[in-house]
Amino acid sequence: AQSVTQLDSHVSVSEGTPVLLRCNYSSSYSPSLFWYVQHPNKGLQLLLKYTSAATLVKGINGFEAEFKKSETSFHLTKPSAHMSDAAEYFCVVSGGSGYSTLTFGKGTMLLVSP
Amino acid sequence: DGGITQSPKYLFRKEGQNVTLSCEQNLNHDAMYWYRQDPGQGLRLIYYSQIVNDFQKGDIAEGYSVSREKKESFPLTVTSAQKNPTAFYLCASSIDRGQKNTEAFFGQGTRLTVV
Repeated sequence: AQSVTQLDSHVSVSEGTPVLLRCNYSSSYSPSLFWYVQHPNKGLQLLLKYTSAATLVKGINGFEAEFKKSETSFHLTKPSAHMSDAAEYFCVVSGGSGYSTLTFGKGTMLLVSP
Repeated sequence: DGGITQSPKYLFRKEGQNVTLSCEQNLNHDAMYWYRQDPGQGLRLIYYSQIVNDFQKGDIAEGYSVSREKKESFPLTVTSAQKNPTAFYLCASSIDRGQKNTEAFFGQGTRLTVV
């Protein structure tokens, strides 16, 4: 079984300040982990993915995430927020024996103020 | 352009009616998925298909049906048995049959409202 917990339903930052979106996962197997972003009434776009190579993963738009097995975490960060980053972010886990579907966290809404 | 096309973008349904949501992909992906999204609940898997003429129930399949007659198409029917169908529906596809490191590509969604 696998699960994902996004620790904050909403995060508010000012433009130009760092962003931290927290994610913890549970998996019986060595997982793959993803972060997706969703703008209002749109589909999901892949930001980055971890697939057991480098533990620090760089994605699009300046985002990165670090896989920490000991902490079962995969937090998303960005050094400086931009207004266009305001959206909902989903942490996703995939892994297991046999066929593996994606398990989504409940999402974190990122609010960016001027 | 390659991608996943969902139609319509907005759909209104009267209570007791069945409606079908379209999903087409030209990415030559084997696997396709349907998710339901409600505020604060993330995405929940309705059905998925790994190959043509085969599909499996996800976590919330009751009141829904699908078909996979062609590799490119995976329509979802919301039946009258679905008690609370108002939601945002997302279709996705992936290149491999469930290999864990394969990401999914998403359509733009269909917002279904029961009136």
